[in-house]
Amino acid sequence: NAGVMQNPRHLVRRRGQEARLRCSPMKGHSHVYWYRQLPEEGLKFMVYLQKENIIDESGMPKERFSAEFPKEGPSILRIQQVVRGDSAAYFCASSPPRPVMNTEAFFGQGTRLTVV
Amino acid sequence: GESVGLHLPTLSVQEGDNSIINCAYSNSASDYFIWYKQESGKGPQFIIDIRSNMDKRQGQRVTVLLNKTVKHLSLQIAATQPGDSAVYFCAESQPYQAGTALIFGKGTTLSVSS
Repeated sequence: NAGVMQNPRHLVRRRGQEARLRCSPMKGHSHVYWYRQLPEEGLKFMVYLQKENIIDESGMPKERFSAEFPKEGPSILRIQQVVRGDSAAYFCASSPPRPVMNTEAFFGQGTRLTVV
Repeated sequence: GESVGLHLPTLSVQEGDNSIINCAYSNSASDYFIWYKQESGKGPQFIIDIRSNMDKRQGQRVTVLLNKTVKHLSLQIAATQPGDSAVYFCAESQPYQAGTALIFGKGTTLSVSS
């Protein structure tokens, strides 16, 4: 859904650099989810955030990865000291307050991270 | 760990044929399922969903069937068109829990030839 904006669409980083991925949810949506997709695989849940709160980060690697969703501005997924294994497509989805079911979550076009 | 999986990685059909894409799930606690379509370079797009209190649900040209006995669901696309070419994922979740993560299968690539 074009309403969820992710940028950049493509990001190339050298090993050891930091990657910052941004997600602007649809207007009126206060819930954001981040997923990672490796080539030829399905999406894997990473983290669920509401404004200024991390609700569920059970899918997030313990080290180097962090996420935030400030009161103002986009949600940020930050990967420090990137390694080649971090190369993947990262998708963001958003939903409105008090979602009844996950059909109310709309996906962005993704950021394709390549670590060289 | 428990996860959703798909039977076939690829499916090739002729335009106008009906397509059937299958998915097996192993988590008996999941009672809500969704099919997504993902075109190259794009994010997943919702197609249709079904809850465990149903065994069939129809949309426009698509039907989802759920067999809880064997933990299997399928997506049927009628009169398949070239624009249906994409990767199709099934995903499972538990409903009415705000923010519950979706568990995705690996996907089936549908190729439609004219």
